[in-house]
Amino acid sequence: GAGVSQTPSNKVTEKGKYVELRCDPISGHTALYWYRQSLGQGPEFLIYFQGTGAADDSGLPNDRFFAVRPEGSVSTLKIQRTERGDSAVYLCASSLVAEETQYFGPGTRLLVL
Amino acid sequence: AQSVTQPDIHITVSEGASLELRCNYSYGATPYLFWYVQSPGQGLQLLLKYFSGDTLVQGIKGFEAEFKRSQSSFNLRKPSVHWSDAAEYFCAVARTGTASKLTFGTGTRLQVTL
Repeated sequence: GAGVSQTPSNKVTEKGKYVELRCDPISGHTALYWYRQSLGQGPEFLIYFQGTGAADDSGLPNDRFFAVRPEGSVSTLKIQRTERGDSAVYLCASSLVAEETQYFGPGTRLLVL
Repeated sequence: AQSVTQPDIHITVSEGASLELRCNYSYGATPYLFWYVQSPGQGLQLLLKYFSGDTLVQGIKGFEAEFKRSQSSFNLRKPSVHWSDAAEYFCAVARTGTASKLTFGTGTRLQVTL
């Protein structure tokens, strides 16, 4: 079946702009996760959804970052007033239920000029 | 908070040789432990995981890992490496009972020479 998909695959924006990154989890997966991977680093946890609600958003770096999952499936990560330091690969993962194996998407590579 | 150390940034092995990638963690109890592989242009793929029980864990693609509580380690091994194993390998931990929030190491890049 289809895996986790993320769009766009690449996004180039200018400092100060607003961006949205989309994640389509595996069908039927109730848990969804966002991570950020900077160059030469491992992925860093941002936020985790169980259903429609954010169960843990402790990894969001500041209030410019926000994520939603209104219908318990697709999720959007929103970044306001982008900064050059936001440049990274943003990874999405889903699992059937929390505590189970996380399946990762290919990521969205964000470049802030 | 838990943390993960992968001491080797880059490892080169010959095809057919054995492989061991090191992973040490810091956590007050026994965490959940994972190894993921990331190939260029591909998403992270789970190789194996340890939650409890037998400390020697078998995974996909012929990989195995051994949890050693006394050394706070979870090293990944493969007896004979194939050229297609060249990739970035990440060790990750999660607090017991909350596998939802993974903490990753910085990764080890494996190069395989023919």
